Amino acid sequence: DQQVKQNSPSLSVQEGRISILNCDYTNSMFDYFLWYKKYPAEGPTFLISISSIKDKNEDGRFTVFLNKSAKHLSLHIVPSQPGDSAVYFCAASLTEGYQGGSEKLVFGKGTKLTVNP
Amino acid sequence: NAGVTQTPKFQVLKTGQSMTLQCAQDMNHNSMYWYRQDPGMGLRLIYYSASEGTTDKGEVPNGYNVSRLNKREFSLRLESAAPSQTSVYFCASSYHGELFFGEGSRLTVL
Repeated sequence: DQQVKQNSPSLSVQEGRISILNCDYTNSMFDYFLWYKKYPAEGPTFLISISSIKDKNEDGRFTVFLNKSAKHLSLHIVPSQPGDSAVYFCAASLTEGYQGGSEKLVFGKGTKLTVNP
Repeated sequence: NAGVTQTPKFQVLKTGQSMTLQCAQDMNHNSMYWYRQDPGMGLRLIYYSASEGTTDKGEVPNGYNVSRLNKREFSLRLESAAPSQTSVYFCASSYHGELFFGEGSRLTVL
């Protein structure tokens, strides 16, 4: 039973256009959401996060939107650049599962973004 | 800036062999984790350690053991490797909800 779903395994966009990556979750108790970016042969790196008390968080070209009623979040990249080509993982955290400082994240399966020059 | 360091980066094992993946972090984080990544499966938590001296099972712990040797080091052991354990393994540590990952260890079990 997947608690965090990324239904698009891949996405291809043209350089300069907007990339929109989507993520759905089933557990309404999740209260913190993150996006990670992963290049081949490297570990995932943190990109941007959002708390459940907000509906938008922006950091440069990256914006994450959260729709709690729909249990849906999305990552917007504007403008997209070839260097953004990577696998993007959505992750969610359950504060009630917080054990002595351990933040257990539940990850989606990832979306491979390709930005074409 | 070392961050999270994993060794080895690559390993090939035969079924039934044992091995230990080593992980160390220099960020003074309390929590450490072991994930595996398989095609089409995303990142799945194997074991985690909230603090030195404690470990807990994650989503897919079967076939693995862990040791939190001290605050810096968290090792993952395969006692009797199976082909189903062929995967890329990532160690991570965390601070305030953000995970910091190592570069990964690619393990192949023949």
